[in-house]
Amino acid sequence: GAVVSQHPSWVICKSGTSVKIECRSLDFQATTMFWYRQFPKQSLMLMATSNEGSKATYEQGVEKDKFLINHASLTLSTLTVTSAHPEDSSFYICSARWGAEEQFFGPGTRLTVL
Amino acid sequence: GQNIDQPTEMTATEGAIVQINCTYQTSGFNGLFWYQQHAGEAPTFLSYNVLDGLEEKGRFSSFLSRSKGYSYLLLKELQMKDSASYLCAPNTVSGGYNKLIFGAGTRLAVHP
Repeated sequence: GAVVSQHPSWVICKSGTSVKIECRSLDFQATTMFWYRQFPKQSLMLMATSNEGSKATYEQGVEKDKFLINHASLTLSTLTVTSAHPEDSSFYICSARWGAEEQFFGPGTRLTVL
Repeated sequence: GQNIDQPTEMTATEGAIVQINCTYQTSGFNGLFWYQQHAGEAPTFLSYNVLDGLEEKGRFSSFLSRSKGYSYLLLKELQMKDSASYLCAPNTVSGGYNKLIFGAGTRLAVHP
């Protein structure tokens, strides 16, 4: 099956710093990658849709200047949380899709901002 | 707007059958996914329905009625490891893109 990896799996940072999370599709080329955020005991909230070579499409209420998304190749997308604050602490999950097929999810990155 | 309803919690006994219902109101509907998510882990794919009817895959089956905006996930021969959250996720087309909209999830507890 298709494999999606995320790095790092967990990160702790100080308030005001920036954190970059990588999402890679290991055995297929992903035309579209998605970034989700999940708070404890809540469902996944879509943050943005990322297509290779074009600007990401952000969901309503998601600050594009705070959550920078880059999709430079068909196998790599990055999410950078800029000037992180404790309220940004969450579980960030990416998924990747080729065409209109199912989405394959990465293992998630747990971000803790002190 | 988008609206997805599923029960918050369910409990069931090992070996039993449980049905998790999901109703949805979405624009640009293009099929519905069910995912399983264990605490602290990413979701894993269970099923996908695009046409009305029942899709069976081992112990798991999923049903879709597009006209009623209704789906259910049926789990048979429940095992302890089935204790997890089950996410109903309609696939929608918006702005030319396909994307999943997740429900809040149903936390299923299987007990001996």
